[in-house]
Amino acid sequence: ETGVTQTPRHLVMGMTNKKSLKCEQHLGHNAMYWYKQSAKKPLELMFVYNFKEQTENNSVPSRFSPECPNSSHLFLHLHTLQPEDSALYLCASSQGYSLMNEQYFGPGTRLTVT
Amino acid sequence: QKEVEQDPGPLSVPEGAIVSLNCTYSNSAFQYFMWYRQYSRKGPELLMYTYSSGNKEDGRFTAQVDKSSKYISLFIRDSQPSDSATYLCAASDSGAGSYQLTFGKGTKLSVIP
Repeated sequence: ETGVTQTPRHLVMGMTNKKSLKCEQHLGHNAMYWYKQSAKKPLELMFVYNFKEQTENNSVPSRFSPECPNSSHLFLHLHTLQPEDSALYLCASSQGYSLMNEQYFGPGTRLTVT
Repeated sequence: QKEVEQDPGPLSVPEGAIVSLNCTYSNSAFQYFMWYRQYSRKGPELLMYTYSSGNKEDGRFTAQVDKSSKYISLFIRDSQPSDSATYLCAASDSGAGSYQLTFGKGTKLSVIP
């Protein structure tokens, strides 16, 4: 596998479920990101990890819990979600956390909360 | 206010046409401007990157920034069906060591053969 991979690609969950999204990058990058892409809304940054340390948390509700065990893997743990959390969740990585470092995106996980 | 405004379209053009995609922004502190292309069922990929005002050309693509009017544009010459995608503009001021990008909603482009 090359680039940034995300699993699962599609997920349907009830509001009382607990699930996790997984992201893996094979590019040797040090920074990883979670974004939320909702229909008819701009792409929103949720979390940034730089060298496994969380550097950004954009007032994301606590029902979203990120985990970065190493520079290659990033998880997003989900629990007691709301229907408005249905969206495409994109993971990205970059060599470092700066504007000079291009972010490479995965294909996303399409999440539906019922 | 850190918004970037972008017409979501959809925009449909015949093959070979010149395409103009535009965004406006309100934050005068924005210095870095990017265009991303997102194909269906894929993540965004960086197309062009510009700093401050001016033009940047890469093959059939030209990115233009006019900071006086807070207007950013992407021109595609000799458009091809393979250019059919959603185009996202983004901007950042990198203030306080934060490199967060503010994205527009994206414009969906279809190039008809």
